[in-house]
Amino acid sequence: GQQLNQSPQSMFIQEGEDVSMNCTSSSIFNTWLWYKQDPGEGPVLLIALYKAGELTSNGRLTAQFGITRKDSFLNISASIPSDVGIYFCAGQLFPSNTGKLIFGQGTTLQVKP
Amino acid sequence: KAGVTQTPRYLIKTRGQQVTLSCSPISGHRSVSWYQQTPGQGLQFLFEYFSETQRNKGNFPGRFSGRQFSNSRSEMNVSTLELGDSALYLCASSLDRITNNEQFFGPGTRLTVL
Repeated sequence: GQQLNQSPQSMFIQEGEDVSMNCTSSSIFNTWLWYKQDPGEGPVLLIALYKAGELTSNGRLTAQFGITRKDSFLNISASIPSDVGIYFCAGQLFPSNTGKLIFGQGTTLQVKP
Repeated sequence: KAGVTQTPRYLIKTRGQQVTLSCSPISGHRSVSWYQQTPGQGLQFLFEYFSETQRNKGNFPGRFSGRQFSNSRSEMNVSTLELGDSALYLCASSLDRITNNEQFFGPGTRLTVL
């Protein structure tokens, strides 16, 4: 089946550092979404991307929809302790118009104060 | 605006039993999707409902089923539970799956099968 390869699997950084994670696939996607999940909770939507090349920011978060439509990255600037959690990329395959999302394996972020 | 709600939050069942989980989407959202989350397999798509119709189904056995009501509320059912069904079951709703696929998740139902 279709897969999203998300990397890195985990990161342990110092507070104040910038973070970068990405997702790649051999398939083409319509939509890229980035979520954050805290323990015992459902994923929370951070950023949604709908066009190839689109660059979108949400506070200290910036995400881009790759030109080839097969990848996306998420950057977090000046990390703080509350950024700790698991970050997931998710995509909707092209040309599908259903609600099915395919998820990456997640990036676990730990921030040292 | 209230978010997606799921009930119950926690459930413990034994092998062979069946279970029904409930999801209430955000008001105005007509699309509801269900996902299974396990440490080994990650987030896996179960099925999606739109206007009371199942529009897409993931690769899960027939023991997993669902339905959607006219008020967009959805339920999923798992029959003949197996140990491997232990997971966090997440429901997500979206406004319009064709033009806007931003899916908003509920807190999930943690199912433990003993």
